[in-house]
Amino acid sequence: DGGITQSPKYLFRKEGQNVTLSCEQNLNHDAMYWYRQDPGQGLRLIYYSQIVNDFQKGDIAEGYSVSREKKESFPLTVTSAQKNPTAFYLCASSISTGFGNQPQHFGDGTRLSIL
Amino acid sequence: GQSLEQPSEVTAVEGAIVQINCTYQTSGFYGLSWYQQHDGGAPTFLSYNGLDGLEETGRFSSFLSRSDSYGYLLLQELQMKDSASYFCASPEIGGYQKVTFGTGTKLQVIP
Repeated sequence: DGGITQSPKYLFRKEGQNVTLSCEQNLNHDAMYWYRQDPGQGLRLIYYSQIVNDFQKGDIAEGYSVSREKKESFPLTVTSAQKNPTAFYLCASSISTGFGNQPQHFGDGTRLSIL
Repeated sequence: GQSLEQPSEVTAVEGAIVQINCTYQTSGFYGLSWYQQHDGGAPTFLSYNGLDGLEETGRFSSFLSRSDSYGYLLLQELQMKDSASYFCASPEIGGYQKVTFGTGTKLQVIP
C-alpha cells in the first residue's frame, strides 16, 4: 500500500545537537510538506517543496533546514539554532496541480523532545 | 497571507448534529478543505469545497460561502469515534502548493 513513512516515532535532542527527521513517500507525489504542531495547536508550515531540488520556506522556517534530492524523500533537520524544538512534526505530500486543491496525505509524525 | 479562525472547542451529544465553523481572511482564495485528527494521530482529509454550496460525504457535509468568507463542517448522527480535532485549510494562490491550516476545533462527543 502507498503511504508516507516518518521515522523515528520519538526523538530526543541534546543541547547544541542537530537532528534529522526522515520522511519517505511512495505515492508518486510531487509536493511535500513539513508541519510543526504544538500541544492543542494547529499545524504551522515549516518548509514545502513542489519538485525535486526545489523548496520554499514556510511560516516558521528559522532553525530548520530541508533537502529534496529525490522525489520520494524530504528530510527535515532541526538545527541547534531552533531553541524550542519540542513539538510533534508532521510530514505530508500531495499531487501538484498548481491550484493547491489536492488533499494532503500525512505520515504518523515524529515527537521531538529536548533532553 | 492567510488566516483561518475556528472555535477552539465544541461539545455535542452522541447521535446529534454539530456544526464547526471556519472564517477566513485571504489575499486570494481557491477553496476550503477539512481534516480530522485524532489525539496523537495524523490528520486525514475529509472534504474540499472549491465552489459555494454544500458537499456531502456520508455523515459529513461541508459548506462554503465565498461572499461571507465562511465555511463549516457539519457532522450528523454523531458517534463517539468522531471525538477529534477538526481543521479547515486553504491553499494560497500562486505558483506553489502552500496550504494554511486553521486554528483547529476540538470536538468532544458525550453519551
